[in-house]
Amino acid sequence: EVQLVESGGGLVQPGGSLRLSCAASGFTFSLYWMHWVRQAPGKGLVWVSRINGDGSSTTYADSVKGRFTISRDNAKNTLYLQMNSLRAEDTALYYCARESEMATIYFDYWGQGTLVTASS
Amino acid sequence: SYELTQPPSVSVSPGQTASITCSGDKLGDKYVSWYQQKPGQSPVLVIYEDIYQDKKRPSGIPERFSGSNSGNTATLTISGTQAVDEADYYCQAWVSSTAGVFGTGTKVTVL
Repeated sequence: EVQLVESGGGLVQPGGSLRLSCAASGFTFSLYWMHWVRQAPGKGLVWVSRINGDGSSTTYADSVKGRFTISRDNAKNTLYLQMNSLRAEDTALYYCARESEMATIYFDYWGQGTLVTASS
Repeated sequence: SYELTQPPSVSVSPGQTASITCSGDKLGDKYVSWYQQKPGQSPVLVIYEDIYQDKKRPSGIPERFSGSNSGNTATLTISGTQAVDEADYYCQAWVSSTAGVFGTGTKVTVL
């Protein structure tokens, strides 16, 4: 059974940093592109970042480019999101999601999310 | 930047058909997927496209869910809507080699 379990969220002051983790199980982690998607309270889904299977290719939404870094440790089956220079508008529930094997890019499994609150 | 626009809300009577639109420039040239999200839960994939742009349902998704995509509009259709289908629905497309976009979301209410 595919499982994605996020952790690392919490309360942080604006300008601070936080690292999110997503522990994967039930599939060969290194073979899949992985994504982070966020959802501000009461708002819609927003794509954040993407990384390929071996970690050599990454992509970011303009709103987080230069502040967030996506990475992965395939030996630990874990995806990360390092978030620096956090802003109030980064407050959201952060989901990790697995990209399908197909070339048409959709998300076939999602974690339960971890909440990040950037507030003083 | 690329935008996908959905109606904020759709109301439907039980047993009737609900249609949720998703509009974007030349969306018919892109692969669109749809997600259902119930309160307090993670999104769930309900419709995706294969490389031939055939619309597919993941295992476990009822046959009453179907999709179409042409021109500037993709549509998620729920036939014979049930109370359990009440949720928020989001379309999604990969609009370039470097960016993913979700629609604005539609709240489906089964009256």
